[in-house]
Amino acid sequence: NAGVTQTPKFQVLKTGQSMTLQCAQDMNHNSMYWYRQDPGMGLRLIYYSASEGTTDKGEVPNGYNVSRLNKREFSLRLESAAPSQTSVYFCASTQFTDTQYFGPGTRLTVL
Amino acid sequence: RKEVEQDPGPFNVPEGATVAFNCTYSNSASQSFFWYRQDCRKEPKLLMSVYSSGNEDGRFTAQLNRASQYISLLIRDSKLSDSATYLCVVTRTAAGNKLTFGGGTRVLVKP
Repeated sequence: NAGVTQTPKFQVLKTGQSMTLQCAQDMNHNSMYWYRQDPGMGLRLIYYSASEGTTDKGEVPNGYNVSRLNKREFSLRLESAAPSQTSVYFCASTQFTDTQYFGPGTRLTVL
Repeated sequence: RKEVEQDPGPFNVPEGATVAFNCTYSNSASQSFFWYRQDCRKEPKLLMSVYSSGNEDGRFTAQLNRASQYISLLIRDSKLSDSATYLCVVTRTAAGNKLTFGGGTRVLVKP
């Protein structure tokens, strides 16, 4: 089992460019999450999907959109990147309400 | 005020010593509590859940104090490999069981 995979691992964008971060899990989990982590801020929830076909906003959704493509895949899109979106992005999944399994992260820099 | 607060540290600990640190949460309706461990530039991983009666996993002991709204983590006989950031996490059913993370406490174990 690969667990949770994310692509790309690193990305540099210019202000105003768009991109999609991909996340997939092979654990048959219902719920999937996107977080961003900034120094000293901990992880903040951007969007989550409690089950296939549903998505909801988290704490910091502005500037992002998501798609739950199927049970395995949950993508995060930046339509017009801004320097404030420079961060490390983690995808996570869970079947129940305790352990969340995280992907290795995407390090995004917006110039 | 942040919902989950932690001392960012770092806690500099001699190898073999004991270290303990707390995490406070502001919402008395918080129901589930966890400690996650995050190594430098890696994804968070569940270290242990925190039960009302307190629980131990090897050299790690977690305690919950609902009256004062804090949880604690104690590491005995610290190893160099214990150097990491420890993230306090709480959930509430009313919040859709989403995880709320503290900013993390950094622990550095030195020879």
